[in-house]
Amino acid sequence: QVQLVQSGAEVKKPGASVKVSCKASGYTFTSYGISWVRQAPGQGLEWMGWISAYNGNTNYAQKLQGRVTMTTDTSTSTAYMELRSLRSDDTAVYYCASFNSSGPFDYWGQGTLVTVSS
Amino acid sequence: DIVMTQSPDSLAVSLGERATINCKSSQSVLYSSNNKNYLAWYQQKSGQPPKLLIYWASTRESGVPDRFSGSGSGTDFTLTISSLQAEDVAVYYCQQYYSTLFTFGPGTKVDIK
Repeated sequence: QVQLVQSGAEVKKPGASVKVSCKASGYTFTSYGISWVRQAPGQGLEWMGWISAYNGNTNYAQKLQGRVTMTTDTSTSTAYMELRSLRSDDTAVYYCASFNSSGPFDYWGQGTLVTVSS
Repeated sequence: DIVMTQSPDSLAVSLGERATINCKSSQSVLYSSNNKNYLAWYQQKSGQPPKLLIYWASTRESGVPDRFSGSGSGTDFTLTISSLQAEDVAVYYCQQYYSTLFTFGPGTKVDIK
């Protein structure tokens, strides 16, 4: 069955960077894209961007441009999301989700809590 | 970007009664070449990741109970829970995937009255 397993919780200081991983199994990794979505405590879902696991093309939300980088390692079927210059309002649960090229987000990772605190 | 809005922000419904959630997009998400609405609904229970319920505005994901239904076209959409069960307590989000700058609605919290 399809599974997306994310790395564990992180605590970072303001100004630092974090890199979250998302390991896929149960499907052909390069046939789908991976999107990243975050959710601040008590808030709604915020789409961050996506990466094509087929060719590495990316598309980022404008508000995160310049601070976020999404990559994949097809040899291990793993996607990564790096966020730099962390601020307190980056504290959130970060999710990865798989999607077909023209479809919704059908499978989700379990989420990774990133806490930014001095 | 396509802006998604939802109403109401929250609602409380008696067990067995109908719950209706509305979603509106700032521009049409109907793709004329295939006549499909690029609109999905997700359910998020407390402490869990979102779960896909409905896509193409009205197609239920495999395994989703048939008390969940989606309708609408263009810019106005509705998620209906025909007979609310205790396990349906959750926040429900609509999402457009017409644009690859995907956007979610703010969510509607559904509780038991």
